[in-house]
Amino acid sequence: EADIYQTPRYLVIGTGKKITLECSQTMGHDKMYWYQQDPGMELHLIHYSYGVNSTEKGDLSSESTVSRIRTEHFPLTLESARPSHTSQYLCASSELRGGGPDTQYFGPGTRLTVL
Amino acid sequence: GENVEQHPSTLSVQEGDSAVIKCTYSDSASNYFPWYKQELGKRPQLIIDIRSNVGEKKDQRIAVTLNKTAKHFSLHITETQPEDSAVYFCAASSRDTGRRALTFGSGTRLQVQP
Repeated sequence: EADIYQTPRYLVIGTGKKITLECSQTMGHDKMYWYQQDPGMELHLIHYSYGVNSTEKGDLSSESTVSRIRTEHFPLTLESARPSHTSQYLCASSELRGGGPDTQYFGPGTRLTVL
Repeated sequence: GENVEQHPSTLSVQEGDSAVIKCTYSDSASNYFPWYKQELGKRPQLIIDIRSNVGEKKDQRIAVTLNKTAKHFSLHITETQPEDSAVYFCAASSRDTGRRALTFGSGTRLQVQP
C-alpha cells in the first residue's frame, strides 16, 4: 500500500546526541518535506526537496540537515540534540510532475524528547 | 513569498451547529487551496481542496468557498458532530515553476460540544 513511513515513532535521548529520523515513501512522489510541530500547533517547514540531490532550507532554523540520495528516502539528522528540539517531526511528500494539485501527504510523525 | 492567515485560532460550537474557518492569502499567483484536519495524536489529513477556477466545492457536510478577488477562502462544516473536533489547517500554493508549495495557516482548534 502506498504510504509514508517514519521511524522511530518515539525517541527519548540525552542532550548532545546525534540522531537521524528516517522517512520513506512509496507514493512515487518527487517532493518531500520535513515539518516540526508542537502538538496541535502550527506546522513549521524545516527542509524540503524537489528530487534526488535537491535540498532546501525552510522557514525554521532547526540546526538539522537532510539528504536526498534516493527518491523514496529523506532522512533528517540532528548533529547535537538539545532540549529545545523536543517536538514532533512530520515528514510529507507530494507529486511534482504534471499540472495536478500539489497535495501533500503526511507520515505518522516522530515524537522526539531530548532530556 | 506567500503568507496565509487563519482565523479564529479556537472555535467552540454546539453539536449540530455550523462552523466556519476563514483564511486569507497574499500571493495572487496561488491557485490551489487545501484544508487539512489533524485529530489529536494523528497526522494531518486532507479533507477537501479547491482550485482557483472554482468558487465553491462541497463534500457531504463540508464545503469550501474561494474569493480570488479578495484573496480569501473559507471552510464550512454543517451539522457538526463530536468527531469533527480537531485542529484544521488551511494552505495555499502555486504550481508555478520555482515556487515552493503549500504555505500553511496557523491552525484552528475546533471543539464540538455534545
